[in-house]
Amino acid sequence: AQSVAQPEDQVNVAEGNPLTVKCTYSVSGNPYLFWYVQYPNRGLQFLLKYITGDNLVKGSYGFEAEFNKSQTSFHLKKPSALVSDSALYFCAVRDDSDYKLSFGAGTTVTVRA
Amino acid sequence: DAGITQSPRHKVTETGTPVTLRCHQTENHRYMYWYRQDPGHGLRLIHYSYGVKDTDKGEVSDGYSVSRSKTEDFLLTLESATSSQTSVYFCAISEAGTNQAEQFFGPGTRLTVL
Repeated sequence: AQSVAQPEDQVNVAEGNPLTVKCTYSVSGNPYLFWYVQYPNRGLQFLLKYITGDNLVKGSYGFEAEFNKSQTSFHLKKPSALVSDSALYFCAVRDDSDYKLSFGAGTTVTVRA
Repeated sequence: DAGITQSPRHKVTETGTPVTLRCHQTENHRYMYWYRQDPGHGLRLIHYSYGVKDTDKGEVSDGYSVSRSKTEDFLLTLESATSSQTSVYFCAISEAGTNQAEQFFGPGTRLTVL
């Protein structure tokens, strides 16, 4: 079985400050990890993924994520948040033996001007 | 939205009526998925397809059926809609050949069952 936990329902930061959205996962095999963002009344947009290799993954819109195998975490980060980063963020995991994705419950990010 | 359309975009129906949602892709991707999105649950997989006429159940498949007669179309049917099926439904696609590929999502269908 595979699962994802996003421990924070909401994250609030000021514009220009660093942004972190937390994600922990559980899989039986090797994890493939993904981050998606959802703007109001839109579908999910792919941000980045970790498959193998470098633990620091860079993605779209200045986002990056750090894979930590010992802590089973894949936190999303952005050094300097923008008001336009306000959205709903989802972490997802797939076991390397499966095609199905499991999503976390989502974290709402609000960046205030 | 990566060449994926969903129809209708909004639908209100009554309990007990059948409902069919359509997902259409222009990417020629082999894998297609139906999810539902509910507050506090993220996205949950209903059914998925790994080719024409090849489908399988996800984690919340009860009350739903799917069909895929063409590569580009994946239909989700609620045989007899219930209020618990009020949700936002998303279709997604991904490339075949690797489970490393990300999924691309359609714009969603908001379904209300009264």
